Amino acid sequence: SQTIHQWPATLVQPVGSPLSLECTVEGTSNPNLYWYRQAAGRGLQLLFYSVGIGQISSEVPQNLSASRPQDWQFILSSKKLLLSDSGFYLCAWSRWGAGGYNEQFFGPGTRLTVL
Amino acid sequence: AQSVTQLGSHVSVSEGALVLLRCNYSSSVPPYLFWYVQYPNQGLQLLLKYTSAATLVKGINGFEAEFKKSETSFHLTKPSAHMSDAAEYFCAVSPYNNNDMRFGAGTRLTVKP
Repeated sequence: SQTIHQWPATLVQPVGSPLSLECTVEGTSNPNLYWYRQAAGRGLQLLFYSVGIGQISSEVPQNLSASRPQDWQFILSSKKLLLSDSGFYLCAWSRWGAGGYNEQFFGPGTRLTVL
Repeated sequence: AQSVTQLGSHVSVSEGALVLLRCNYSSSVPPYLFWYVQYPNQGLQLLLKYTSAATLVKGINGFEAEFKKSETSFHLTKPSAHMSDAAEYFCAVSPYNNNDMRFGAGTRLTVKP
């Protein structure tokens, strides 16, 4: 079976510090991978998605970046955090269903607080 | 471009009462529709999905949803609310053969004893 991991689970960082969040997927090959952010009281905002190693699409221009060094690994980074980067970060992977639909499966999330 | 609108950011029901969470979609192509649930400080869990088979879809935890093309709706229902149903619920749409998935803003369900 497939599993998705995210770490750390929680993180408190000062403004201006760097960030690295990691997401890994086991039990599947060549998944699509996604990074979402949930700000307090708001819905999901798609940040990045990747269809393969080194292939990253950005949805929202900002001070965050993403990389996919391995098929099973997706990393979210920042060189200098802003207060507005606080939120709950979710990683997801997807597979194609038999009927041509794209079903996404989510990790447990990382709670980031920028002070 | 596809999108979903969830009517009501907060819904409150009494334990044992009917749960109705509303979702309307907009899509230029036949959509696939999903309902996810999120408990506090956790990831999203799939409740059910519509993939163009039966229009009435049954999911986990006693939830079901009906796809109504004429109304562009995919409302989520449960006949009798339980305290454990308190969570945030997200409706999502994804077009055929597309990597994209768009989520609604979410509806927070509160269940009163």
